Amino acid sequence: IQMTQSPSSLSASVGGRVTITCRASQGISTLLAWYQKNPGKAPKLLISDASTLQSGVPSRFSGSGSGTHFTLTITSLQPEDSAAYYCQQLYDYPITFGQGTRLEIE
Amino acid sequence: EVQLVQSGGGLVQPGGSLGLSCEVSGFNFGGYVMAWVRQAPGKGLEWVANMKQDESDKFYVDSVRGRFSISRDNAKNSLYLHMSSLRVEDTAVYYCARVAIRGYDLWGQGTLVTVSS
Repeated sequence: IQMTQSPSSLSASVGGRVTITCRASQGISTLLAWYQKNPGKAPKLLISDASTLQSGVPSRFSGSGSGTHFTLTITSLQPEDSAAYYCQQLYDYPITFGQGTRLEIE
Repeated sequence: EVQLVQSGGGLVQPGGSLGLSCEVSGFNFGGYVMAWVRQAPGKGLEWVANMKQDESDKFYVDSVRGRFSISRDNAKNSLYLHMSSLRVEDTAVYYCARVAIRGYDLWGQGTLVTVSS
């Protein structure tokens, strides 16, 4: 299952809002997770099951979608949100990630 | 404290072998599927392998199948990845991860594997 993220990179201002899209090449129900990845650090699970916010993750992060189209939205952007974001499908093997979206906070 | 502590890795020549370990604490290791994920320099995340709790099923990405072997010792709370016939393109930071329902919720600190002559 191919996972296609867009955009590949974007920049936004503190306090702003961004939406990252992830499309699956076939239906995956809601078996999709979102991760935040900072250089030199392990990935951090933000959202599971397409829309379930993980404990400790700020509520400005939200996910939605099912089937083949998914989105990650971040509102009230903070400087610490500058990172790479990846979607991951857990519907079938091989498990696959999107190519990533690099977010820069201005 | 819940943690996954990795060891192993380093520099190896093409065609060589290397082993990675991931020792966990703070949770019931035997109750979880575990995984290895890697990130090559400047590239995205790539899933490498999964292993079920009872060692009954192992899954691999095509590019490593037949060369890498995932294993675990539930008595030692440890996950392993044995890598052989290593290629330059296997150069990456390798992470072990706990597979929770619908997401990989705990990760090791990562360990660098460099395949170079």
